[in-house]
Amino acid sequence: QKEVEQDPGPLSVPEGAIVSLNCTYSNSAFQYFMWYRQYSRKGPELLMYTYSSGNKEDGRFTAQVDKSSKYISLFIRDSQPSDSATYLCARVDSSYKLIFGSGTRLLVRP
Amino acid sequence: DVKVTQSSRYLVKRTGEKVFLECVQDMDHENMFWYRQDPGLGLRLIYFSYDVKMKEKGDIPEGYSVSREKKERFSLILESASTNQTSMYLCASRAQGEAGGYTFGSGTRLTVV
Repeated sequence: QKEVEQDPGPLSVPEGAIVSLNCTYSNSAFQYFMWYRQYSRKGPELLMYTYSSGNKEDGRFTAQVDKSSKYISLFIRDSQPSDSATYLCARVDSSYKLIFGSGTRLLVRP
Repeated sequence: DVKVTQSSRYLVKRTGEKVFLECVQDMDHENMFWYRQDPGLGLRLIYFSYDVKMKEKGDIPEGYSVSREKKERFSLILESASTNQTSMYLCASRAQGEAGGYTFGSGTRLTVV
């Protein structure tokens, strides 16, 4: 089992929809998670990070961690075509290295 | 604006060639990383360096080596390129002791023919 699992998609939604992107993780040792966004032919850029359980909000984006089910979610409200990208979740390990999921490709249709 | 710069966006090399991928950061970061990214496999860590002249193997170091002679520069070397090393290569850096995110370069798409 991979340490961080993501559905690869693609996920296609109409503009304005609420998007839910999800990851599961298997190692509970260090509860620090990140979401990266990667546009085509670009490197990943940090979107949000969250520690332990609960929600963290930043504009249209909300990151959520459910420790009991080992589930990480990213919600995008009022999605825009410019949100079309691949979204990568990552877990920080005990030596502060990042362990990435394989990414979910999102397409927001105008 | 902080930057991680990878010297080439696209490279085509022949099987058996020695290939150098260069990465430079201007943020005075101690930690630097090399990943490869393949469809369905995500980002896999090849090598990383906590500081100058230090290097550690990541998850898939076979067929690769690295060099960190100066703090700002981290080079990935393919000793004898093979077709299964065709991939997107991403360099990243991070300040020492910071649990926060990495800053990535734009990547080098390497094709080995």
